[in-house]
Amino acid sequence: DADVTQTPRNRITKTGKRIMLECSQTKGHDRMYWYRQDPGLGLRLIYYSFDVKDINKGEISDGYSVSRQAQAKFSLSLESAIPNQTALYFCATSDPRALAGAEETQYFGPGTRLLVL
Amino acid sequence: AQTVTQSQPEMSVQEAETVTLSCTYDTSESNYYLFWYKQPPSRQMILVIRQEAYKQQNATENRFSVNFQKAAKSFSLKISDSQLGDTAMYFCAFHGSSNTGKLIFGQGTTLQVKP
Repeated sequence: DADVTQTPRNRITKTGKRIMLECSQTKGHDRMYWYRQDPGLGLRLIYYSFDVKDINKGEISDGYSVSRQAQAKFSLSLESAIPNQTALYFCATSDPRALAGAEETQYFGPGTRLLVL
Repeated sequence: AQTVTQSQPEMSVQEAETVTLSCTYDTSESNYYLFWYKQPPSRQMILVIRQEAYKQQNATENRFSVNFQKAAKSFSLKISDSQLGDTAMYFCAFHGSSNTGKLIFGQGTTLQVKP
């Protein structure tokens, strides 16, 4: 779904480096999320934001930080990358004003594959 | 804490046949949402189907349907007339009513459709 874009799509970095993953959306949704996917574990929530002034930690926020620069932009940073942060990272959005039953539906970007050496 | 379990890591089905993927969950909430997402080799997460817990009628989207058993906390996905393009990993996900925004995912089931 081109409405949610992530850059870069693939990234290789070294231990200790700072890296930023970016997410942009044209869906006009207020809510944005960052997840990571590891084999056998499904997706787990890192951070989420319900609006520009709202940032909340998810279940695995240690080692990560985020910035909500605008309604449409939500960035994830790894301040000092380590090998166990190697994973597939997804950004997602949702619209609390959607029709009943659809307000909790999350729409995902294409993912960023990160390898930390 | 809510949990989602998909007990079938891998499944296969012949093209044109029907397959059912299992999902169970644990929650103390009475109102919540359940989802099935598909992740093909392109790795894009695609919404397949959604079910609101307050609705007794099972959701259906073309060849995809669910069997939602609230008392048993079971939410299985049935794919009818399987197609090669259905080959993907399928994730079951839970969203509670506590408004944390959190989707809780199962471990995933890899489905291969064979010609």
